[in-house]
Amino acid sequence: GEDVEQSLFLSVREGDSSVINCTYTDSSSTYLYWYKQEPGAGLQLLTYIFSNMDMKQDQRLTVLLNKKDKHLSLRIADTQTGDSAIYFCAEPFSGGYNKLIFGAGTRLAVHP
Amino acid sequence: EAQVTQNPRYLITVTGKKLTVTCSQNMNHEYMSWYRQDPGLGLRQIYYSMNVEVTDKGDVPEGYKVSRKEKRNFPLILESPSPNQTSLYFCASAAGQGAYEQYFGPGTRLTVT
Repeated sequence: GEDVEQSLFLSVREGDSSVINCTYTDSSSTYLYWYKQEPGAGLQLLTYIFSNMDMKQDQRLTVLLNKKDKHLSLRIADTQTGDSAIYFCAEPFSGGYNKLIFGAGTRLAVHP
Repeated sequence: EAQVTQNPRYLITVTGKKLTVTCSQNMNHEYMSWYRQDPGLGLRQIYYSMNVEVTDKGDVPEGYKVSRKEKRNFPLILESPSPNQTSLYFCASAAGQGAYEQYFGPGTRLTVT
């Protein structure tokens, strides 16, 4: 079955770039997603990338997709304290039904 | 405002006492789902529903029930809660088959003693 893996923790200094990595297993995934969970809140879709793209940029966010290695990364430029959250990588379940397979989540801590 | 609401947000209960967590969405979404979030395990799907009166098991359905009598509501029922159901629960909805964005509720933190 599908599996999505992420490292659990990342600590960065304010103003530096953060890079959160993810590996997935289903090469037929049409979209791959990054969700953000702020403290005490539900998940919100942060960004997504189509599988026919290598890169997507959206303001301070850059998503890189390496389909050959099934590797997805999220880069946050000029990381701010407000970026402190848990970031989840997700891929669609191959059987459909809108089901997403989530990674365990990477907790990003931003310190001064 | 488009949203998914859950109630209660926090609940402490005892083993065996039936409880219901409500979920409601105001976006006329066809698809709704329940997840539980546990440290180091990410989100695991409990049950999902593709439309009214259509529900199916997710990855961890044991000990849970759901119903979908109306499009907007998708309650999660724990008939006889046990301590291993202590978790953070999220309801989510999406527009329908192929819709790529899921909208999540704020979560319900359940403690079973």
